[in-house]
Amino acid sequence: RKEVEQDPGPFNVPEGATVAFNCTYSNSASQSFFWYRQDCRKEPKLLMSVYSSGNEDGRFTAQLNRASQYISLLIRDSKLSDSATYLCVVNPYNFNKFYFGSGTKLNVKP
Amino acid sequence: DGGITQSPKYLFRKEGQNVTLSCEQNLNHDAMYWYRQDPGQGLRLIYYSQIVNDFQKGDIAEGYSVSREKKESFPLTVTSAQKNPTAFYLCASSMARGAFFGQGTRLTVV
Repeated sequence: RKEVEQDPGPFNVPEGATVAFNCTYSNSASQSFFWYRQDCRKEPKLLMSVYSSGNEDGRFTAQLNRASQYISLLIRDSKLSDSATYLCVVNPYNFNKFYFGSGTKLNVKP
Repeated sequence: DGGITQSPKYLFRKEGQNVTLSCEQNLNHDAMYWYRQDPGQGLRLIYYSQIVNDFQKGDIAEGYSVSREKKESFPLTVTSAQKNPTAFYLCASSMARGAFFGQGTRLTVV
């Protein structure tokens, strides 16, 4: 079983839509969770950490559900510039091994 | 500016040759990583290092070697034993806030 699993998509949404991605993880002892954004042929960039109480950064909201072992990312009022692949990242034990999901592709269309 | 620098950006290798990819960071991070990404796929961990003069195999270490003689540097050698080396290679370093990536090296075997 993979450490981290994501729906590959693509999610095709119109501008202004709200879209949500989920990501499941297998290790219940996982400590840290993150969302990364990766543009085509570029390196992944940290979008936001995911805190136990949930957290928000502008149009982006991240949630953690430890009981069901998943994290989510909600994007409100989608922009064309949000088109990218979103990677879920889990750190199972400490900060020495980050596991990446294979990513969910988002296409925001005019 | 602090960051992670990978070089070269593009690298072409003949079959049977070893090549070394450079990764340097000035973020004062202890942990460093090498990932491989194939088209349309997620990131797979090759090697990681928690501290100078110590490194651990990741999930796909066969055909690769690393060294960590300085905190700032974590070069990756792709050996001739790696049967399918054409890929996008990403170096990262980490702290509690997450992992941060260099711009990557695209290796092509010709």
